[in-house]
Amino acid sequence: AQSVAQPEDQVNVAEGNPLTVKCTYSVSGNPYLFWYVQYPNRGLQFLLKYITGDNLVKGSYGFEAEFNKSQTSFHLKKPSALVSDSALYFCAVRDMKNNNDMRFGAGTRLTVKP
Amino acid sequence: NAGVTQTPKFRVLKTGQSMTLLCAQDMNHEYMYWYRQDPGMGLRLIHYSVGEGTTAKGEVPDGYNVSRLKKQNFLLGLESAAPSQTSVYFCASRSTSSGSRHEQFFGPGTRLTVL
Repeated sequence: AQSVAQPEDQVNVAEGNPLTVKCTYSVSGNPYLFWYVQYPNRGLQFLLKYITGDNLVKGSYGFEAEFNKSQTSFHLKKPSALVSDSALYFCAVRDMKNNNDMRFGAGTRLTVKP
Repeated sequence: NAGVTQTPKFRVLKTGQSMTLLCAQDMNHEYMYWYRQDPGMGLRLIHYSVGEGTTAKGEVPDGYNVSRLKKQNFLLGLESAAPSQTSVYFCASRSTSSGSRHEQFFGPGTRLTVL
């Protein structure tokens, strides 16, 4: 079955600095990859996805992610962090062969300090 | 559009009690999912449905049952609650229409405590 690893439980950055939240995945076939964000006491909100095509995908709130097939990674990035970006971020993968089984990473808590 | 709604928002049960969590979506989505979220473990899929009248097991189905009698509703049942089922439960739905068929839309969650 597919799986996702988010190697960092916590990422701390200063406001205005670039941020990266790491994600690596494992699937038997071609992946569909996603990033979701969760604010306190809320459900998950979709940020961006990679389905096919350009390896650099852009999403909501200025976030982007780069699909790297050779490294099986899909890191989330933002050029300039905001305090309001502080939240819990989840990477998820779905195998094209099994379109109903999406696996989530354990989550990375991003804290942006003023 | 209300999107995906969940009822109730909070619930405390005693071991052995039963309850049903209701998920409703007004986006005419075909697919619906139930997840549980536990600290340090992300979201794990309990059961899902690809259409009215159909359900299937996910990653952690034991101790739960589901029903999808109407397209807009997906019910999650706990027949005999156990402390290990203390968790936050999220419902999600997804369209099969081209252009938006990949992302899931999540409800606000139900926080369940089993004593």
